[in-house]
Amino acid sequence: AQSVTQLDSQVPVFEEAPVELRCNYSSSVSVYLFWYVQYPNQGLQLLLKYLSGSTLVKGINGFEAEFNKSQTSFHLRKPSVHISDTAEYFCAVSLSGYSTLTFGKGTMLLVSP
Amino acid sequence: DADVTQTPRNRITKTGKRIMLECSQTKGHDRMYWYRQDPGLGLRLIYYSFDVKDINKGEISDGYSVSRQAQAKFSLSLESAIPNQTALYFCATSVGDRGGELFFGEGSRLTVL
Repeated sequence: AQSVTQLDSQVPVFEEAPVELRCNYSSSVSVYLFWYVQYPNQGLQLLLKYLSGSTLVKGINGFEAEFNKSQTSFHLRKPSVHISDTAEYFCAVSLSGYSTLTFGKGTMLLVSP
Repeated sequence: DADVTQTPRNRITKTGKRIMLECSQTKGHDRMYWYRQDPGLGLRLIYYSFDVKDINKGEISDGYSVSRQAQAKFSLSLESAIPNQTALYFCATSVGDRGGELFFGEGSRLTVL
């Protein structure tokens, strides 16, 4: 079975600084990878996904992630964060379109002025 | 209107009561899911259904049951609620050709006293 590890439960950062949220997965087969964001008191929405092709994936709100098969990682990055990026971010993995999504425990991104 | 609608959005109940959370969708997706979110634990899958006649247990199905009344409706029941079922519950939908990408409702916050 697949699993996801988000290495940081909380990441504090100042506005306009760069940020990286780390995600590692374990699976013996090919995977699909996702990042979701949850703003306070809201549901989850998709930031970006990797299904195949280019390992650098661009998403909404200036976020991007790089799939690294050898490192089994899918880290999320943004070159300059805004206060409005304060939210919880979840990494998730599935084995195929016929399997369910497994989520990490989440990383709270706290952006301060 | 939201594509995935959950009712109620908030519910406070007492130990031992029967509770039903309802989910309806207008996305036309075949697959529906119930997840539970707890602080520091991420999202955990309770039950999922790949079509009207298909019901599957997820990671944490004990104490829960589901009913898929139609393609667009998937309800979650707690037959006898207990305090450790206090959580935020999410319904989600998906289609098979998008790698498992989920589309979420806004959540139902349940408090069991």
